[in-house]
Amino acid sequence: DTGVSQNPRHKITKRGQNVTFRCDPISEHNRLYWYRQTLGQGPEFLTYFQNEAQLEKSRLLSDRFSAERPKGSFSTLEIQRTEQGDSAMYLCASSLEVNGYTFGSGTRLTVV
Amino acid sequence: AQSVTQLGSHVSVSEGALVLLRCNYSSSVPPYLFWYVQYPNQGLQLLLKYTTGATLVKGINGFEAEFKKSETSFHLTKPSAHMSDAAEYFCAVSDTGGSYIPTFGRGTSLIVHP
Repeated sequence: DTGVSQNPRHKITKRGQNVTFRCDPISEHNRLYWYRQTLGQGPEFLTYFQNEAQLEKSRLLSDRFSAERPKGSFSTLEIQRTEQGDSAMYLCASSLEVNGYTFGSGTRLTVV
Repeated sequence: AQSVTQLGSHVSVSEGALVLLRCNYSSSVPPYLFWYVQYPNQGLQLLLKYTTGATLVKGINGFEAEFKKSETSFHLTKPSAHMSDAAEYFCAVSDTGGSYIPTFGRGTSLIVHP
């Protein structure tokens, strides 16, 4: 069990550029969640996968955001045409059927 | 819809003093409840969770929490604070079926004075 791995740890990008983050969950976990956390706030739910199926998306997930989980393994979160308001920590978590979520260390995005 | 309220954005205690971090939830059915700790620039680490059974739950690092259904509360306590406990603490609630998507509170920053 190597935990949940997120890459990169930090990303600085210019406004208008596209960025992609990767999450590698614990191998036997079938559920995968993406959250966004801004300074001084708790994590806010973005989207959820069960195996390869994306089952829920938050209203926070605008059309510029897309997430995939091919083959039910790793997941990617892409943000197109980044805006300064997208600057945040993006957290990934995974779990088995009966919760007990394990979080990764996050990817901190800074849009300049 | 579920929601979590953490009373007090900051709690300050002296080293060795009791730690009490408050969490109240709103849910139509008894949920699953969690406390997480976050150190600067790190992800969240699970301290403890309540799913079913005993309402007093013990977690890591000497923390415990009690589920009180009548008060819709899940307060986190520790008898004696250590300097290393200084961090951000998040209470979370999830439904007990389906997606199990946790909803987090805004967090409480624990400050420990020597």
